[in-house]
Amino acid sequence: DAKTTQPNSMESNEEEPVHLPCNHSTISGTDYIHWYRQLPSQGPEYVIHGLTSNVNNRMASLAIAEDRKSSTLILHRATLRDAAVYYCILRSTLNYGGSQGNLIFGKGTKLSVKP
Amino acid sequence: EAGVAQSPRYKIIEKRQSVAFWCNPISGHATLYWYQQILGQGPKLLIQFQNNGVVDDSQLPKDRFSAERLKGVDSTLKIQPAKLEDSAVYLCASSLTSQGYANYGYTFGSGTRLTVV
Repeated sequence: DAKTTQPNSMESNEEEPVHLPCNHSTISGTDYIHWYRQLPSQGPEYVIHGLTSNVNNRMASLAIAEDRKSSTLILHRATLRDAAVYYCILRSTLNYGGSQGNLIFGKGTKLSVKP
Repeated sequence: EAGVAQSPRYKIIEKRQSVAFWCNPISGHATLYWYQQILGQGPKLLIQFQNNGVVDDSQLPKDRFSAERLKGVDSTLKIQPAKLEDSAVYLCASSLTSQGYANYGYTFGSGTRLTVV
C-alpha cells in the first residue's frame, strides 16, 4: 500500500472545526483513501472513505484534492469525545497475492481537544 | 448489529507461558484480521483469514504465534511461549468481502491487553 504522511499531533478547541491533513503523493488510481480513529483504550473505528469525490457522513467530511495527492478530514464541530488518534490509510482495490488491500496503519495524528 | 467480540479484555502472564485470545466477528463478515498494537504505535497486521482459510500471514511470527478459524466464524490467536516484547494490545477486526473490497470498512473489537512479565 502507498505511504501517507500526517502531522504527529494537532490541537483544537471544543466546538470549533478541525482540519486534519494527509499527504499521499504516491497514490495510485486504484487506491481508496480511508480514515479511522482510535479513542483511548478502544480499537480503531471507521470514520469515512473516498476515491475521488468529496464525501460526507454523520461523523465527518472528507475533502480530496483534485490531483488526489492529499486529503483533509474535517470535523465540523469538535467535541471532547473527538480526542483520538486519526489514521489516514490508502487501500488498494488490487489483490496483491490475496492480501486484498489490507489496512496498513502508520502512526496517525493525535488530536487533542481543549474545552 | 452486534460488534466484534474479544476476550479476555486483559491478561497478565509470565514470560515463556502460553496465552490464547478469542474473537467473534460480526455475523456474515467473511474476512477476519488479527492486529498487534504496541504502545505508541499504530496497529500491525498479523494475519488475515477469508472464511476459514489464511490469506496473509506474512507478518505472523510463526515460531511462537499461531491462529485458526476452523469453522469460518470465530477465531483464536495463540502465543507459545510468550516473550516480554509480546506485551501489546491484540485487536481483532472483520469486514465484508466483495468484488470491491477496498470500498468497505473494517470493524474492530476493543482488543485484549497482554502484559508479559
